[in-house]
Amino acid sequence: AQTVTQSQPEMSVQEAETVTLSCTYDTSESDYYLFWYKQPPSRQMILVIRQEAYKQQNATENRFSVNFQKAAKSFSLKISDSQLGDAAMYFCAYRKAPTSGTYKYIFGTGTRLKVLA
Amino acid sequence: GAVVSQHPSRVICKSGTSVKIECRSLDFQATTMFWYRQFPKQSLMLMATSNEGSKATYEQGVEKDKFLINHASLTLSTLTVTSAHPEDSSFYICSFRTESEQYFGPGTRLTVT
Repeated sequence: AQTVTQSQPEMSVQEAETVTLSCTYDTSESDYYLFWYKQPPSRQMILVIRQEAYKQQNATENRFSVNFQKAAKSFSLKISDSQLGDAAMYFCAYRKAPTSGTYKYIFGTGTRLKVLA
Repeated sequence: GAVVSQHPSRVICKSGTSVKIECRSLDFQATTMFWYRQFPKQSLMLMATSNEGSKATYEQGVEKDKFLINHASLTLSTLTVTSAHPEDSSFYICSFRTESEQYFGPGTRLTVT
């Protein structure tokens, strides 16, 4: 069975600094998707970034980028120039590729990010 | 991005009563959607997968007779918590999926007294 592990329950970063959130996963599949979701105090889940496993290039969305290490099954999120609005719970998630016929997402336990002014 | 609404956002009910939560996709149609439960300071736990027009598939440990899911159309799904008990108090989140990602509703906080 697939698992997603986030080993950092809480992280803090100074405003304008850079922080990296860790995520590891376990799967026997070769094709899958990985995601980082943000859940602010409003509790609305927001997609931050997505990575397809078959793509070697790391995904980037403005200040957010990932370090995807497929062999190591590692998928970390780097937030550059941290802003107060980045403070939230961040969840790493895994999903098999659509060709598998299943669309279930497996979420990690989350990392609470605090941004210090 | 796509918009998903949930109603109500908060509900308080007495033990033994039933509560219905609605989930609507406002600007797209989806054949599959998910219901999650999230306890305080915990992750999202998938409760069931629902396909439009067919019976929902429940995850292990989730009672299908207690958590009734009706996926009546491509834009509407409902979750009914029957004979609610205090341990059912939680945050319930729905999502509709597309080929590449899923869109979440804002969640419903259920408190059973």
